[in-house]
Parts: sequence; C-alpha cells; structure tokens
Amino acid sequence: SYELTQPPSVSVSPGQTARITCSGDALPKQYAYWYQQKPGQAPVLVIYKDSERPSGIPERFSGSSSGTTVTLTISGVQAEDEADYYCQSADSSGTYGVVFGGGTKLTVL
Amino acid sequence: EVQLVQSGAEVKKPGESLKISCKGSGYSFTSYWIGWVRQMPGKGLEWMGIIYPGDSDTRYSPSFQGQVTISADKSISTAYLQWSSLKASDTAMYYCARSELEYSSSFDYWGQGTLVTVSS
Repeated sequence: SYELTQPPSVSVSPGQTARITCSGDALPKQYAYWYQQKPGQAPVLVIYKDSERPSGIPERFSGSSSGTTVTLTISGVQAEDEADYYCQSADSSGTYGVVFGGGTKLTVL
Repeated sequence: EVQLVQSGAEVKKPGESLKISCKGSGYSFTSYWIGWVRQMPGKGLEWMGIIYPGDSDTRYSPSFQGQVTISADKSISTAYLQWSSLKASDTAMYYCARSELEYSSSFDYWGQGTLVTVSS
C-alpha cells in the first residue's frame, strides 16, 4: 500500500510558526494538497498543488515541497488555527488512488 | 454558489442495506468527479472511491472495493454511496467532495457529511 506520513501532533504558541510535514515516496511526482478540519466540521482545502492557496484562505498558510516531503507552514499562528490537518496525494501508479495522511493535530498553546 | 448537500443521519442495524446521497448544485455536475471519504469516530480521513457523473466511470480504493457501491444519477445531479449489508464497523461520518480529476486533484468543495450509525 501507499502511505503518507504525518506527525500526530504539533504544538506552538500564538504568533509562532507551525510546520507540519507529510512524507511519501510519490511526492516528487504527485502534487500534495492540505486540508484543515475543525471539530464537527467538514474538511476545508487550504493548499493545493503543493503551494497554491485557494481564495479566502489567509496568507499565513503556505506550502512547500522538497523531495519526498511536503510542508504546510502556518506563520503567525492564531488560536483559530487549532485543528486537524491532513495532507492528500496520489500514488504514481494509480493502484491506490487518492491517499490521505494520518492527520496532525495542531495545538495552539 | 457550489454546494454539495448530503442526506441526513442514519441509524441502522447490522445486516441492513443503506444508500446515502450527495446532491450537487451551482456547477456542471457532469464535469467534475465526486469522491466519498470515510471518517470513523476519532480517526482520520479515508478515501473510498470516486465517480464521474458524466459517464459513471467509477474507481474504488482497494480497501473498499466490494464493500460499497458508488453510483450517480446525472439527471438529478446526485451521487450515491450504498451498502448491501452493514456492519458495526461501518459506523462513521461519510463525506462527499468534488474533484477535477479522479486521483491527482484536490477536493475543493465538501458536503456537510452523513453520520451512519450501525448498532443492534
């Protein structure tokens, strides 16, 4: 099977920078996407194609890619950013289709 | 405004069948894929499969192949997820979401989710 690996949790203080990583063998060939999910809500797309930000998403959210790892960076974290974050991509062969990372719980201290 | 509106919460017994729905509006329903995503209580997102309502081309995750059926009725802009025999382990929130491609694309709009509870 194809897996995307995320850290289970990241903690930062308000105003600091949070970095959430996602690792997968196919990431050099496949774009990654990031979603924010708050309790009781559906996921919301915050980054697409590794580093593009949808309209309406604050500029403090950014994405980057290097080799087999992609990173979601939240600059100047605010209390409202506390949520679960999931990366999504696809395996190169198409065998496994769409794959989500296990999710990272961002805690704002 | 793009919207995906899902059917309401369901409570079923093991062995029963179920079909939940996802109605799209505000865009060309036949020009985008609709994917289904499972989220078990307290757990992460799992991709189940995806359908292109334009021609009903359907792909399944190997983990869900044979366990569920995905279909669509383009005449009423609605996609479906169905089970023939539910198990307690099917208890979860199920989301539908829109995508430009079958695999290599984001889910840009999501339904509100349908909570399915399977209990004797």
